[in-house]
Amino acid sequence: DIQMTQSPSSLSASVGDRVTITCRASQSISNYLNWYQQKPGKAPKLLISVASSLQSGVPSRFRGSGSGTDFTLTISSLQPEDFATYYCQESYNTPPNTFGQGTRLEIK
Amino acid sequence: EVQLLESGGGLVQPGGSLRLSCAASGFTFNNYAMSWVRQAPGKGLEWVSGISGSGGMTFYAGSVKGRFTISRDNSKNTLFMQMNSLRAEDTAVYYCAKDPIGKRYSGTYANWGQGTLVTVSS
Repeated sequence: DIQMTQSPSSLSASVGDRVTITCRASQSISNYLNWYQQKPGKAPKLLISVASSLQSGVPSRFRGSGSGTDFTLTISSLQPEDFATYYCQESYNTPPNTFGQGTRLEIK
Repeated sequence: EVQLLESGGGLVQPGGSLRLSCAASGFTFNNYAMSWVRQAPGKGLEWVSGISGSGGMTFYAGSVKGRFTISRDNSKNTLFMQMNSLRAEDTAVYYCAKDPIGKRYSGTYANWGQGTLVTVSS
């Protein structure tokens, strides 16, 4: 199975900051990488698919990049509603399609 | 608007069984693969099982293979998960999720239900 490793596990930042979350796959997954946002007590929400394709309705301050084994999620200017946990997930080939362990983004 | 509504969760003893349902609306159900994803309390997300739009192809995580069975009734727009031989480590919120692309399972989860809590404890 493919292993997905996110860093950092947690992050403190302020409104207006630029933040970057990284995700590394244990083998090449081309661009088959998704990013999800989850707020406490809520279901996850798909933000970005195939590494860089922003889902409809997701603000343009979210940006995904990368290919192969290394990927990043960048939020250009943090807003109060962005404080949440973020998960990467590979969708390469057949199941299981593994999630990263999550990155908790907290208010500084 | 896509809506997914899970039900059937609850408290069950180790070794027991439970059947989860996910009622879908707002899209042509049989045109999309579906999945179950779970989240243990305070933990991350774990994919559990997936099924193609026709129901002809099913996939399972190793941790549940042989104990859980995914199925769907396309005439009733409903996804199911039959869970047998439940263990304490199956305790989690179970989400159903819709594939964004089509009938073939893609491993991406575009829409999610609100989840149903399964607690396995004596």
